[in-house]
Amino acid sequence: DAGVIQSPRHEVTEMGQEVTLRCKPISGHDYLFWYRQTMMRGLELLIYFNNNVPIDDSGMPEDRFSAKMPNASFSTLKIQPSEPRDSAVYFCASRTSGGAGETQYFGPGTRLLVL
Amino acid sequence: GQSLEQPSEVTAVEGAIVQINCTYQTSGFYGLSWYQQHDGGAPTFLSYNALDGLEETGRFSSFLSRSDSYGYLLLQELQMKDSASYFCAVREGNFNKFYFGSGTKLNVKP
Repeated sequence: DAGVIQSPRHEVTEMGQEVTLRCKPISGHDYLFWYRQTMMRGLELLIYFNNNVPIDDSGMPEDRFSAKMPNASFSTLKIQPSEPRDSAVYFCASRTSGGAGETQYFGPGTRLLVL
Repeated sequence: GQSLEQPSEVTAVEGAIVQINCTYQTSGFYGLSWYQQHDGGAPTFLSYNALDGLEETGRFSSFLSRSDSYGYLLLQELQMKDSASYFCAVREGNFNKFYFGSGTKLNVKP
């Protein structure tokens, strides 16, 4: 299996621009998570989906952030408009509810820099 | 709310044993996970403890004491490639929310 796939791997944009991050979970996984990692705040859960349905978005910092999962193999995290404080590494992770369901498989991350 | 405490940095020599502690406070503890992250990489799963006791996986072991709200990761026969950050993460309730600690940077020296 290819693992969790994220794109782009790096993104540099200017303040005010729209940013869209993409994630393809591992096939057969029914949970998908979006995390943000910064030096100051560490690794934070933003939102997670179960069977394509958003279950908990309490970690989404503000209305500028939105996430969708139109099908089992694709999810997006959008920031509009972006701000310099959004600069971080954004990870997508997936897991299955069966078997060793505690294991989350992380993608390689998207390194976002907002100027 | 939740809080996790782990040391910010630990240094050890190749071949040694190192223990990384994690204490936590959470309203509905369900389990404790450990993840490894190399610089520039993604977190990778190491272990999960839901019950008290020691879980062993090769050179790595993880321990949990629910009554003490405490766990640790034990790394034996340290290798240079073990230099990385290690995160503990609590699972809250029977939900799928994991709260991560701030991480412990392990430096393995020759």
